[in-house]
Order: sequence, then C-alpha cells, then structure tokens
Amino acid sequence: GAVVSQHPSRVICKSGTSVKIECRSLDFQATTMFWYRQFPKQSLMLMATSNEGSKATYEQGVEKDKFLINHASLTLSTLTVTSAHPEDSSFYICSASRPGAYEQYFGPGTRLTVT
Amino acid sequence: QKEVEQDPGPLSVPEGAIVSLNCTYSNSAFQYFMWYRQYSRKGPELLMYTYSSGNKEDGRFTAQVDKSSKYISLFIRDSQPSDSATYLCAMVISFGNEKLTFGTGTRLTIIP
Repeated sequence: GAVVSQHPSRVICKSGTSVKIECRSLDFQATTMFWYRQFPKQSLMLMATSNEGSKATYEQGVEKDKFLINHASLTLSTLTVTSAHPEDSSFYICSASRPGAYEQYFGPGTRLTVT
Repeated sequence: QKEVEQDPGPLSVPEGAIVSLNCTYSNSAFQYFMWYRQYSRKGPELLMYTYSSGNKEDGRFTAQVDKSSKYISLFIRDSQPSDSATYLCAMVISFGNEKLTFGTGTRLTIIP
C-alpha cells in the first residue's frame, strides 16, 4: 500500500500564533509532496509542491511567507501556518507521490480552526 | 471553460445498481487519469489510475478512458451504502508537471 499520515488531525489555535502540520509517507519514499487546502463542499486547491531538499513551489496567490513548507526528508514534509488568522481556518491535506509515478496518495487531512 | 468538467450531482441510486460517473476534459495534453473517493472530512482515497485509453478493472470498479473523445468514466458495480461519498476525477499532463487537475467532484448517495 501507499499510506500517508498527517498530524495533528485537528488543531485549534488563537489568532496570531503559528501552527505546524506534519505529513509523512509511511511505507514509501516520496520525492514530491503536495499541500492542498479545501473549503467546505469545494474541490481541493493546490497550495504548493515540495521536493525533498529544495524550496517549495507555491501556486499563484499563496503567500510563501505565511505558509512555510519544509521537505527535509523523503518521508516528511511540514506546513507551518504563521501568524494564523480566522480566515486561515480550513481543511489542509497533503499528498505524496512515488518517484516516477503520477498518482498521488493523500493524507487524512488536518482541520485548522483559528479563533 | 474549465479544463475538467464533472457533474457535481448530487446523484442518488438504489443499493445494488451500477453507478456511472463521468468527466470530460478540454486539454488533450492530459495523459494520466485518476479517480478518488472522498468521504466527508477525510482526505481523498485513490481508487483507480490509468495511463492509457481503454478499460481497467479492479473489483467492483472499472475505469474507462477515451482520449479521442476526452472523456473518462468510473463504473461502480453492485453499489453499496458505503460507496456514498464524493468522487473526484483527476488528471496529470506529464512527468515534470505532476500537478493534478481535479474535477469538481460528484456527490453520490447509495440508498439502502
């Protein structure tokens, strides 16, 4: 199988604080990981693509200084939402793909609520 | 016009029926096709992926791709209430551009 985990599954934080979300590929090495955001009843919106050992590529309109992505190893990528505000409240989902493959395997998602 | 069109539904069918879910796309550069199932408040789960035109079967699921018509389908046989979810088609252009382009998703309900 191809299992991707995310931690935490749910987090509530106060406005102005930073939150880190971890994404791990448990049984394969992922040279590429992706971070998505999903609003209720909408499809996934790609935020950034991260490759191990290099800087993430952010989609247009996504603030790279606000959404810090680190892909330190072939099995771990982190998304840090800095100085979170209520409008950052959303469902964040990561995915990973095997080297040479196109299909992405998604994590279970992290629900962020900023109060 | 969106690159990938998918009827959002909702689609309701009785248990045991065959379900047909479809997507059309406009960019002939798409080469790789996937279907995901997403339950409420969960990440998408990969159901099927295919790289070529034709049919691919896996258990109760059949993925069909017609590149000449730019049309893909997912068939679910002997549908079960546990199949109730949102189904997303997704496609990729090529290696070096691995971003998924999603359809909007079809909400499916299987009625016991």
